[in-house]
Amino acid sequence: EAGVAQSPRYKIIEKRQSVAFWCNPISGHATLYWYQQILGQGPKLLIQFQNNGVVDDSQLPKDRFSAERLKGVDSTLKIQPAKLEDSAVYLCASSLAPQGSYEQYFGPGTRLTVT
Amino acid sequence: AQSVSQHNHHVILSEAASLELGCNYSYGGTVNLFWYVQYPGQHLQLLLKYFSGDPLVKGIKGFEAEFIKSKFSFNLRKPSVQWSDTAEYFCAVLYGGSQGNLIFGKGTKLSVKP
Repeated sequence: EAGVAQSPRYKIIEKRQSVAFWCNPISGHATLYWYQQILGQGPKLLIQFQNNGVVDDSQLPKDRFSAERLKGVDSTLKIQPAKLEDSAVYLCASSLAPQGSYEQYFGPGTRLTVT
Repeated sequence: AQSVSQHNHHVILSEAASLELGCNYSYGGTVNLFWYVQYPGQHLQLLLKYFSGDPLVKGIKGFEAEFIKSKFSFNLRKPSVQWSDTAEYFCAVLYGGSQGNLIFGKGTKLSVKP
């Protein structure tokens, strides 16, 4: 089965610019997650969708970050404007939850560098 | 606040040595426990998981982990490591069931010398 797809794999932008990341989850997975992984730390959840509804966005910096999952499949995460501290790897994951396994499958991530 | 602690930041072992990576988590009711691995240049992948039942769980590539509820621990073990086990290992705890929050530890980098 195809895994979680993400693009781009790498992105370099200047501070105050905007950037968008795309994620295509595993087919049939109802729940989609976006994580931020700063160097030297574990992934931290930014937002969780079930189908096209938001389950948890409590850790999403809403003044600059936004995410959507139109039609309950693909998702995009946007940062506008970017700050230096946004440099990180942005991971997308999906799972069968709540109906099936809670196991989350991760994509390769997008490495963002803000200069 | 919910938290996951991994005791070692970087572990260096020779091939055939035994491995134990510590993981402790804060109390949060019913939890589901995971170990993920990230090989160099690859994405996070599941090594093993504990949901219920036998507290000793076996995963891929000869890894196992033991859930000790009284100690809030879920340590990862392997009797004999190989050079190919060089990777970063993350302990993660799912608090709150299927729609809950997956909290990761900071990770332990394992380097195995041939």
